[in-house]
Amino acid sequence: DADVTQTPRNRITKTGKRIMLECSQTKGHDRMYWYRQDPGLGLRLIYYSFDVKDINKGEISDGYSVSRQAQAKFSLSLESAIPNQTALYFCATSGGGGEYEQYFGPGTRLTVT
Amino acid sequence: KQEVTQIPAALSVPEGENLVLNCSFTDSAIYNLQWFRQDPGKGLTSLLLIQSSQREQTSGRLNASLDKSSGRSTLYIAASQPGDSATYLCAVDSGAGSYQLTFGKGTKLSVIP
Repeated sequence: DADVTQTPRNRITKTGKRIMLECSQTKGHDRMYWYRQDPGLGLRLIYYSFDVKDINKGEISDGYSVSRQAQAKFSLSLESAIPNQTALYFCATSGGGGEYEQYFGPGTRLTVT
Repeated sequence: KQEVTQIPAALSVPEGENLVLNCSFTDSAIYNLQWFRQDPGKGLTSLLLIQSSQREQTSGRLNASLDKSSGRSTLYIAASQPGDSATYLCAVDSGAGSYQLTFGKGTKLSVIP
């Protein structure tokens, strides 16, 4: 089984809808991250969390919110989706405490029409 | 603000050739640098992580070097194979343990049989 899983893998939604992307990990890592990837722009950090009570905004947090339900679960929500949020979304984890390597999930392809 | 550049954006080589992928960054005060591989429709796979105090890291046919003072890193792939075809991403952590990565846009490698 994959260490970092994301659901759904693909989603098409309409403008104005609320949508949640979920991430789970079995690596036992404290740190979790949400990125989006756009053609020509690369990956950009949306939010990151160092533990359940420590959540921080990344480079492009506007229009997004997150919830860290447990050490192993980190969800990303789009409260009112808009077309320019169409992108590939990745969740990642790292161990912290000197373990810097980040491990990525398979991604969620989100299309907002 | 840290900026990461990868040149070329795309590279095509015949099987068996040794090749070098380049990554440059604008702020030399980095904590570490990580090289990833991304296959189409899939997530990122971590290849190598170089700490700021290190000059290089090796894994199998891959060797990554880091020159902080000049703001450069290279990924050397020996004896390339068609299975090496993928997009290679470079990312730097500039944040004194913040674990926030800034990504380049990647080099798309095609190894021709």
